[in-house]
Amino acid sequence: DTGVSQNPRHKITKRGQNVTFRCDPISEHNRLYWYRQTLGQGPEFLTYFQNEAQLEKSRLLSDRFSAERPKGSFSTLEIQRTEQGDSAMYLCASSYRDLTYEQYFGPGTRLTVT
Amino acid sequence: QQPVQSPQAVILREGEDAVINCSSSKALYSVHWYRQKHGEAPVFLMILLKGGEQKGHDKISASFNEKKQQSSLYLTASQLSYSGTYFCGTETAPENYGGSQGNLIFGKGTKLSVKP
Repeated sequence: DTGVSQNPRHKITKRGQNVTFRCDPISEHNRLYWYRQTLGQGPEFLTYFQNEAQLEKSRLLSDRFSAERPKGSFSTLEIQRTEQGDSAMYLCASSYRDLTYEQYFGPGTRLTVT
Repeated sequence: QQPVQSPQAVILREGEDAVINCSSSKALYSVHWYRQKHGEAPVFLMILLKGGEQKGHDKISASFNEKKQQSSLYLTASQLSYSGTYFCGTETAPENYGGSQGNLIFGKGTKLSVKP
């Protein structure tokens, strides 16, 4: 069990470009969550999957954001036409479906949009 | 809908105790507590479920007052390693069926600094 991994760890992009992040959850975990965190704030929920099904997406999330988990294992988060306001740490977490859903976070991908 | 944490920051000497509170205006199903050190990912501490018992391990424990929709995290005899920002993540009562959904709403955090 190597924990949740995310790639890349850092991404610098120019406004208007598309970016894609990857998350590999803990192997037996069937739930996967994406959060966004800015300085001085708690993580903000974006979306989550149970296996390959995307069960919920934040109503605050722009249509420029899309996430997939095609085989119920790793997940990708894509941001199209990036804006400076997208600059943040993007965190992925995974959990195993039981009563409590303890979530284990990855190290995050820090996005800087210039 | 975002839970309110208090205090925003606290400074302790090693060995002192602290209490961090988390309040919500919505009926809660669960409260999750995490600690995050600078530049690192949040680390899970514990979960409290509606109708559940007070939790604790080592010198960190927590309670959940369902009537007040409030949870408190208790840090006893603090150690230098306790320094970090503590977040509560709340989950409101599921609308569709019983059981946790897991999509948490986090507070803004409480920054805890423990000095020697």
